Amino acid sequence: KAGVTQTPRYLIKTRGQQVTLSCSPISGHRSVSWYQQTPGQGLQFLFEYFSETQRNKGNFPGRFSGRQFSNSRSEMNVSTLELGDSALYLCASTPLPGGYEQYFGPGTRLTVT
Amino acid sequence: AQKVTQAQTEISVVEKEDVTLDCVYETRDTTYYLFWYKQPPSGELVFLIRRNSFDEQNEISGRYSWNFQKSTSSFNFTITASQVVDSAVYFCALSGANTNAGKSTFGDGTTLTVKP
Repeated sequence: KAGVTQTPRYLIKTRGQQVTLSCSPISGHRSVSWYQQTPGQGLQFLFEYFSETQRNKGNFPGRFSGRQFSNSRSEMNVSTLELGDSALYLCASTPLPGGYEQYFGPGTRLTVT
Repeated sequence: AQKVTQAQTEISVVEKEDVTLDCVYETRDTTYYLFWYKQPPSGELVFLIRRNSFDEQNEISGRYSWNFQKSTSSFNFTITASQVVDSAVYFCALSGANTNAGKSTFGDGTTLTVKP
C-alpha cells in the first residue's frame, strides 16, 4: 500500500500570500488530521476530517482552514501568511476516528519570507 | 485538557547501552490511547506502538519495550542495546475516545543520540 503523500514537499511564500497544501491518505483511510510542527511549539494539532466533515479543530486562527473531499483527500489553506507560519505541516491518516495509530506523510516544509 | 510531558529533552548514549525515554500524561478521559512515534532525521513520523487505557500489559518487541502504568500516568519506552540507527526524536502522544479520538496531543519529544 502506498503511504500518505503530501504535496508540495517544499514551498516558499511571502508574507500576505495564501497557500494550499494537499494530502492523500493511505487507500481505505477515511480520517485525516493535520499538524503544524515548529522548533518552538512542537507538534500542534490543526484539524481532523472524517467523511468530509471537520470533527476537531485546534487552537489556530481562522486563517487556517481545511477541507476533505469525497475520496478522503484533504487540503489545508493558510491565508494572509505570517512569518510565524513557517513550519513543517504534517498530514496523518487513520482508517476511522477512534484511537487508531496515525500514519504520517513526509510533510510540507513551508517557509514564509 | 490533555497533556503529555516528556521531561528529557535530549539523551546521549553510547552504542549498546540501554536507554529509557519517559512519558507522563494527563487526561480526564477514562478511555484513551497512548502512542509512541519516532521521527528520524529524514523527518517522517513513524508509528511504534499503541496502547489503550484498559490494557496495562507491558510489551516487548525486539529491542523495544514499553511500560504502561496507569497508577503513575506513565508510558515509558526502553531501547535495549541501542544502535546508531536508533538516533531520532521520539514522541509520546495521547488521544481520547469518541469526539476527541482524532485529536492527538504530543509531547515535546526526546532527541536520542546514539554514538558509535
